[in-house]
Amino acid sequence: DAGVTQSPTHLIKTRGQQVTLRCSPKSGHDTVSWYQQALGQGPQFIFQYYEEEERQRGNFPDRFSGHQFPNYSSELNVNALLLGDSALYLCASSLGVKLAGTQYFGPGTRLTVL
Amino acid sequence: SQQGEEDPQALSIQEGENATMNCSYKTSINNLQWYRQNSGRGLVHLILIRSNEREKHSGRLRVTLDTSKKSSSLLITASRAADTASYFCATDRGNTGKLIFGQGTTLQVKP
Repeated sequence: DAGVTQSPTHLIKTRGQQVTLRCSPKSGHDTVSWYQQALGQGPQFIFQYYEEEERQRGNFPDRFSGHQFPNYSSELNVNALLLGDSALYLCASSLGVKLAGTQYFGPGTRLTVL
Repeated sequence: SQQGEEDPQALSIQEGENATMNCSYKTSINNLQWYRQNSGRGLVHLILIRSNEREKHSGRLRVTLDTSKKSSSLLITASRAADTASYFCATDRGNTGKLIFGQGTTLQVKP
């Protein structure tokens, strides 16, 4: 049973560029959430996707956008990268947006913005 | 913004000792979860406790929840070097899956 997978593992970009991160949820899960974790901090909720729609959003600017595909996989896009976007980006999957069950996290994508 | 605050921020103990971490939060919740993170890698779910529960056990882990004090504690008994990691509490206010994390407790278990 494959867990949550994310790609790429590491990424280096320069300021102003755009980046796309990808996530495949755990088998059987239909809800994907994205989190940003700065060094030494706890993860911060970016947004959540369910049934291909953004269901909830944290306090992040519109430069952060996402998408969920019919197979439940998801992408996180960040435009006009800033130095402060350097962080570990975590994807989490769960079953049913209202079931409040356990969320399973992927290994993360470490983004460095130079 | 962070909902939870873990205490202490860092903890260093000897193998075999017990480790206790505390988490306080600000608003009412539906459930609280504890996660472990090794060296900046992905988060591993440890235990979920719902607002109507007071205590849960899982192996060497014991979690308590006091909703009147808006606090939770994680006890790891008979710690091992492999328990060295950062531990985070996360709250879910509306059973929506939107987790609000604290800043974590870094635990070092010395062999």
